[in-house]
Amino acid sequence: DGGITQSPKYLFRKEGQNVTLSCEQNLNHDAMYWYRQDPGQGLRLIYYSQIVNDFQKGDIAEGYSVSREKKESFPLTVTSAQKNPTAFYLCASSISGPLNTEAFFGQGTRLTVV
Amino acid sequence: RKEVEQDPGPFNVPEGATVAFNCTYSNSASQSFFWYRQDCRKEPKLLMSVYSSGNEDGRFTAQLNRASQYISLLIRDSKLSDSATYLCVVNNGNNNAGNMLTFGGGTRLMVKP
Repeated sequence: DGGITQSPKYLFRKEGQNVTLSCEQNLNHDAMYWYRQDPGQGLRLIYYSQIVNDFQKGDIAEGYSVSREKKESFPLTVTSAQKNPTAFYLCASSISGPLNTEAFFGQGTRLTVV
Repeated sequence: RKEVEQDPGPFNVPEGATVAFNCTYSNSASQSFFWYRQDCRKEPKLLMSVYSSGNEDGRFTAQLNRASQYISLLIRDSKLSDSATYLCVVNNGNNNAGNMLTFGGGTRLMVKP
């Protein structure tokens, strides 16, 4: 089955540690995105990538890093510089154009700093 | 002003009621519009795209008003299973940057028996 998979589903991090969230898709989509969602809030864009080996900062990129070495994979690293990392992280993918295409989401990773 | 604004609700309605949500957006150059549904602690899923001429899918009707920069979602004959958060999504991308989906904060709907 085609889809987008995030792992792990739950992640606990100690303060000061970097952690990497995995996102893999087999939909052959060029574009991939990372969003952050806080309780009762909408989604905010962290980073996005329209093509392999290229990515752009979103609205809240500080304290995060990404890579796009393969079309299928877009891992997100939450660094120790992110002051308030506890949140629900959602990865999405879409075809790169036209602009009226939908985004498909993974099931999300809940990150908690302990 | 937020790029995409929604009334957070909650909207508490009885089964069978008709309920409408509005969403306003600030970027007049926005290209395309969507409604997504998000169940508690789950990922968002596309409910429907919103076309300029308005579109209907069963009990759901979406409208776009470019002049006033708002979109709406109407749900008729509400079911218990319609209880969820409805996210208004605006695509501010272009041919160079590709898709750039901006999400509203969501409107929570609770349908009661």
